[in-house]
Amino acid sequence: GAGVSQTPSNKVTEKGKYVELRCDPISGHTALYWYRQSLGQGPEFLIYFQGTGAADDSGLPNDRFFAVRPEGSVSTLKIQRTERGDSAVYLCASSARPSGGLGEQYFGPGTRLTVT
Amino acid sequence: GDSVTQMEGPVTLSEEAFLTINCTYTATGYPSLFWYVQYPGEGLQLLLKATKADDKGSNKGFEATYRKETTSFHLEKGSVQVSDSAVYFCALSVGGNEKLTFGTGTRLTIIP
Repeated sequence: GAGVSQTPSNKVTEKGKYVELRCDPISGHTALYWYRQSLGQGPEFLIYFQGTGAADDSGLPNDRFFAVRPEGSVSTLKIQRTERGDSAVYLCASSARPSGGLGEQYFGPGTRLTVT
Repeated sequence: GDSVTQMEGPVTLSEEAFLTINCTYTATGYPSLFWYVQYPGEGLQLLLKATKADDKGSNKGFEATYRKETTSFHLEKGSVQVSDSAVYFCALSVGGNEKLTFGTGTRLTIIP
């Protein structure tokens, strides 16, 4: 079956602009996660959704970052007033249910964001 | 806070060599431990996991044992193949938290 998909695969934007990154999770997966991976680093947690609600947004770095999942499926990560330090690969993952930290997260290929 | 420290890479080995990638952790609670792998051009995927002390996770010939006394979860494989070339990430989650905390990753290249 189809895996997690993310669009666009690459996004180049100018400093100060607004961007939206989209994630389509595996069909039926109720849990959705966003991570950010900077060059040479491991993925860093941003936010976790269970259904439509953000159950844990403790990883969002500041109020320029916001994510939504209005119908409990597709999610959009929104970044306002982008800065060069926001340049990274943004990863989305989903899982069939909240696993209490015991289960498997299925990752998408990522969106590479470059802020010039 | 919670953290994972991984062996610095990159690592280059000949085919059929023995592999060890070291991973140690610091956690405020009792973590579950994971190894994820990223093959070229693909997304991260779970390789193996262990959820309590002395558990051994295994998959595709890879193994890792949860060692609470040394706070370690080292990845091993007895005979690597060219197809094992990838980036390997050690990760943990704590106390029912859905968030994964990752190490920096180790790039492995296997030469025929």
